[in-house]
Amino acid sequence: EPEVTQTPSHQVTQMGQEVILRCVPISNHLYFYWYRQILGQKVEFLVSFYNNEISEKSEIFDDQFSVERPDGSNFTLKIRSTKLEDSAMYFCASSDSGAEHADTQYFGPGTRLTVL
Amino acid sequence: DAKTTQPPSMDCAEGRAANLPCNHSTISGNEYVYWYRQIHSQGPQYIIHGLKNNETNEMASLIITEDRKSSTLILPHATLRDTAVYYCIGVVTQGGSEKLVFGKGTKLTVNP
Repeated sequence: EPEVTQTPSHQVTQMGQEVILRCVPISNHLYFYWYRQILGQKVEFLVSFYNNEISEKSEIFDDQFSVERPDGSNFTLKIRSTKLEDSAMYFCASSDSGAEHADTQYFGPGTRLTVL
Repeated sequence: DAKTTQPPSMDCAEGRAANLPCNHSTISGNEYVYWYRQIHSQGPQYIIHGLKNNETNEMASLIITEDRKSSTLILPHATLRDTAVYYCIGVVTQGGSEKLVFGKGTKLTVNP
């Protein structure tokens, strides 16, 4: 069964450094998302992406964040200058269009980001 | 999107049915009820969704009341691996790119 994959599973970085989290969505999906979950808190929406542009973003997704689909398979989240409060699990998700379950989002296993 | 209300926690004996309730009294006519679960810090896993009719798949059944103000997710024979946080989410389908708004969900513990 096709699945969303994410790399790395765990990323440790120093405050102020740039990080890039990578995701490979399900191959025929067209909509892509990033969510994050700070330890012990709710899963929060960050951004959605379709047709090579951002569809919607939350107030969390400020100028320090960017997303890109650099090729036909990868979807990345970049944090330009990490802060301690960026420490969280980051989940990528994707969904199809034109299918019966068009809005069903399938999530990856997550990347645990630790900012020191 | 409708605000959903779920009990914070529930227990269930292994092998028994787990019935997880969700109230969504403000749900709009074109809003689907989606259920996801999250097993200990893993990525949320899609379970099932429905609009008006009851639905069943290989994982669970979803019973939606006629007035659509509440629903129940049924895991017919709960196993220890079903221990997770279960989220009920209202989603207005737009053919894609609708964000999911997660609440605190129900922490289901399946006991041996």
